[in-house]
Amino acid sequence: GQNIDQPTEMTATEGAIVQINCTYQTSGFNGLFWYQQHAGEAPTFLSYNVLDGLEEKGRFSSFLSRSKGYSYLLLKELQMKDSASYLCAVRGAGGKLIFGQGTELSVKP
Amino acid sequence: SAVISQKPSRDICQRGTSLTIQCQVDSQVTMMFWYRQQPGQSLTLIATANQGSEATYESGFVIDKFPISRPNLTFSTLTVSNMSPEDSSIYLCSAPGLRGVYTFGSGTRLTVV
Repeated sequence: GQNIDQPTEMTATEGAIVQINCTYQTSGFNGLFWYQQHAGEAPTFLSYNVLDGLEEKGRFSSFLSRSKGYSYLLLKELQMKDSASYLCAVRGAGGKLIFGQGTELSVKP
Repeated sequence: SAVISQKPSRDICQRGTSLTIQCQVDSQVTMMFWYRQQPGQSLTLIATANQGSEATYESGFVIDKFPISRPNLTFSTLTVSNMSPEDSSIYLCSAPGLRGVYTFGSGTRLTVV
């Protein structure tokens, strides 16, 4: 079975740091992705982890622990434009990308 | 990453009719995927479209309702058949690019009245 959990919503202040957690239990694991989705738009790729550890890309970082079935997305120096839905997705057997329910992030001034 | 053109971007359809959504990828890809995103929710995988073989459907989705074609390595269609208001949703196609990053079409916003 597949189970991917993330908080439904989070609120943070402009300029702050926010961490969005994702836990997963999947049959087969070939990497974990984070996507950003603004309302009315398609998801856009943020990061990909296949090995344990931290991947840093500008203001965004993503961490993976395969033994714990855990990942987080870290957003630094939050900007108003970062208000969006953040989707955790696991690539499983057959190359399928299975998504969590998404975390709606609101950045407030 | 692959660039995917999806159309139509939106449509309003009468119940009982069918709509075919098309996705064109700018490079050859082995697999393409079709998702549904209901209002306020995340993406749910409908099926994997394989070239040269029948699509593989996820639990809860059947070929009679969502027939898929994959005539070549750059193109796929999803048909939503015998539509009801419950089919009102956004439908997205996706494919992995050369570096394994999955990109998405711009989505089709379907309203069934």
